[in-house]
Amino acid sequence: AQSVTQLDSQVPVFEEAPVELRCNYSSSVSVYLFWYVQYPNQGLQLLLKYLSGSTLVESINGFEAEFNKSQTSFHLRKPSVHISDTAEYFCAVSLHSSASKIIFGSGTRLSIRP
Amino acid sequence: DTGVSQNPRHKITKRGQNVTFRCDPISEHNRLYWYRQTLGQGPEFLTYFQNEAQLEKSRLLSDRFSAERPKGSFSTLEIQRTEQGDSAMYLCASSAGSQTEAFFGQGTRLTVV
Repeated sequence: AQSVTQLDSQVPVFEEAPVELRCNYSSSVSVYLFWYVQYPNQGLQLLLKYLSGSTLVESINGFEAEFNKSQTSFHLRKPSVHISDTAEYFCAVSLHSSASKIIFGSGTRLSIRP
Repeated sequence: DTGVSQNPRHKITKRGQNVTFRCDPISEHNRLYWYRQTLGQGPEFLTYFQNEAQLEKSRLLSDRFSAERPKGSFSTLEIQRTEQGDSAMYLCASSAGSQTEAFFGQGTRLTVV
């Protein structure tokens, strides 16, 4: 069975500073990886995903994540954060299988200080 | 397409009562998921369907919980004899298959008093 670990429950950073949200997964087979974001009082929405191909994937609002198979990680990064990035971020994984569910990590709350 | 729709958005019920939630997925999405989310936690997997077949049910889910997707379109999640520990946000999501992301609804917030 697959599992996801988000090592930091909260990450406070100053505006315009870089940030990294860590995600590690456990699986004995190949996986698909996702980052979802939940803004205050809103539903979950997809931020970016890795299915295959290039290990570096990007979102439209400047976030990027890199799939590292040897370290079983999929860390999320942004070189310069904005107040509007304040949200909870969830890493998720599903297996390369036609009968696989999506499993989520416990989330990382990103708070931006002006 | 308006996305995944969940009803009701909020439900307050007395302990011991039964409740039923409905989820309408994005049309033509064959996969439908139910998750539960409590404050400060990630979505916890409950069950999922491929078309009308229920493929997996979490071992954490007690016998008081049941879900159906009778025609492979909308789904219902029923909780019988509710307990205060059932208070949570219940999320529904749908996807076009195992190789694509899931799209989430706004959730149904259940409060058991």
